[in-house]
Amino acid sequence: DQQVKQNSPSLSVQEGRISILNCDYTNSMFDYFLWYKKYPAEGPTFLISISSIKDKNEDGRFTVFLNKSAKHLSLHIVPSQPGDSAVYFCAASGGAQKLVFGQGTRLTINP
Amino acid sequence: GAVVSQHPSWVICKSGTSVKIECRSLDFQATTMFWYRQFPKQSLMLMATSNEGSKATYEQGVEKDKFLINHASLTLSTLTVTSAHPEDSSFYICSAYRTDSYGYTFGSGTRLTVV
Repeated sequence: DQQVKQNSPSLSVQEGRISILNCDYTNSMFDYFLWYKKYPAEGPTFLISISSIKDKNEDGRFTVFLNKSAKHLSLHIVPSQPGDSAVYFCAASGGAQKLVFGQGTRLTINP
Repeated sequence: GAVVSQHPSWVICKSGTSVKIECRSLDFQATTMFWYRQFPKQSLMLMATSNEGSKATYEQGVEKDKFLINHASLTLSTLTVTSAHPEDSSFYICSAYRTDSYGYTFGSGTRLTVV
């Protein structure tokens, strides 16, 4: 039972353009959502998070949007830079502190 | 900022032997740590939740006698893979939860190869 889904395994975006990564969840008890960036053979690096009481959170080039009714969140990166190329994971938490991760989306920024 | 040190970063062991992986929170106390496993090109799967001073809580399907977790102090949790087999080869990652900031900090991971 995949409670957090990232349906796009890969995404290719031109440098300078906007990257939009999507994530869907099924568990309505989730109340905290996070995005992580990960390189091979390394641990995930925290990017940005959002609580269920908000629908948007912004930090520099990164913005996360949450649509609770649709159980959908997205990460916007603008402008996209070559250093953004990595695998991005969304994760959700529902009060028990443990995180449930999506499958990840490999983002490639083309020069 | 919060730092979690995971050691070793990679290890190769013979089938049937045991391997211990350490996860330390360097600049904060972590009453709760988590252990994940990641197969190539797959998601991070939670194996267990490690609570300081008490028994770990294992996710369904994870053998607690095979993956021994000890969280003896507020800054250290260990995962021991006992009687390792080639199918245990994977990337293991720990995470420490910081209650004062509601934040999760991940270790750099351990690549285990069982030959």
